[in-house]
Amino acid sequence: EDQVTQSPEALRLQEGESSSLNCSYTVSGLRGLFWYRQDPGKGPEFLFTLYSAGEEKEKERLKATLTKKESFLHITAPKPEDSATYLCAALRGETIKAAGNKLTFGGGTRVLVKP
Amino acid sequence: NAGVTQTPKFQVLKTGQSMTLQCAQDMNHEYMSWYRQDPGMGLRLIHYSVGAGITDQGEVPNGYNVSRSTTEDFPLRLLSAAPSQTSVYFCASSYSVGGHGNTIYFGEGSWLTVV
Repeated sequence: EDQVTQSPEALRLQEGESSSLNCSYTVSGLRGLFWYRQDPGKGPEFLFTLYSAGEEKEKERLKATLTKKESFLHITAPKPEDSATYLCAALRGETIKAAGNKLTFGGGTRVLVKP
Repeated sequence: NAGVTQTPKFQVLKTGQSMTLQCAQDMNHEYMSWYRQDPGMGLRLIHYSVGAGITDQGEVPNGYNVSRSTTEDFPLRLLSAAPSQTSVYFCASSYSVGGHGNTIYFGEGSWLTVV
C-alpha cells in the first residue's frame, strides 16, 4: 500500500531560522513527488514537482530535493509569510489512464514563523 | 488556484439529505479528481476521472457518486448524507496524468457539515 509520511507535524521557527521538512514515501514506481502549500481556509497551492532522485527545484526561499525514499523541503531564512501547512504527495507509477491524478498525501507539516 | 471553481463554499446538511458539490475548470483539463481532507487523515482521494464519460473510485468512495458528462464539470453527489461525511472537499484537475511538465491544480474547497 502506498504511504507518505511527513515530519515533523509542526515546526515553530524564528524569522531567519532555516530548517527542513521531511517527506518519506513508499510508492510503487513513483511518477512524481509533489509539494503544496496550504493556507488556512484555502486549497493546496502548487509549489514543485520532482520526478527523479537527485533532482532539486527552487522557488524564492524554498528548495525541494528528492532521493529514492524521501524528499526534503528546505526553507532558507524564512519570513512570517512562509507560515502555512506544507503538504507532500506522491503519484504512483501506473499506466497513464489508470493513474489519473491519484495522489497519496502525507499529513502535512504546519510551519509557524515568528517575527 | 488557477481555474478550478467549487460551489458551494459552505453547506450544512441534515442526515439523510442529498446534495451535489459542483466543480468546474476552464483549462480544458482531461483529468479531474475529488479529495476530502480530515484532521489527522490528510487528503484522501474519493473519485477521479480521466476524461468525459470515464470515472473510477479512489481510496474512500463509499457514499459518493460522480459523473463526467463534459470535460469542464465533475460534480460530486452525496445521496444520503451521514455525519461521517462532515469534511472539507477539494476538487483537482490537470491536463493529463501528473507527469513531466504537468501540474495538478486544486480548487478553494467546500466545507460540508452534516448534522
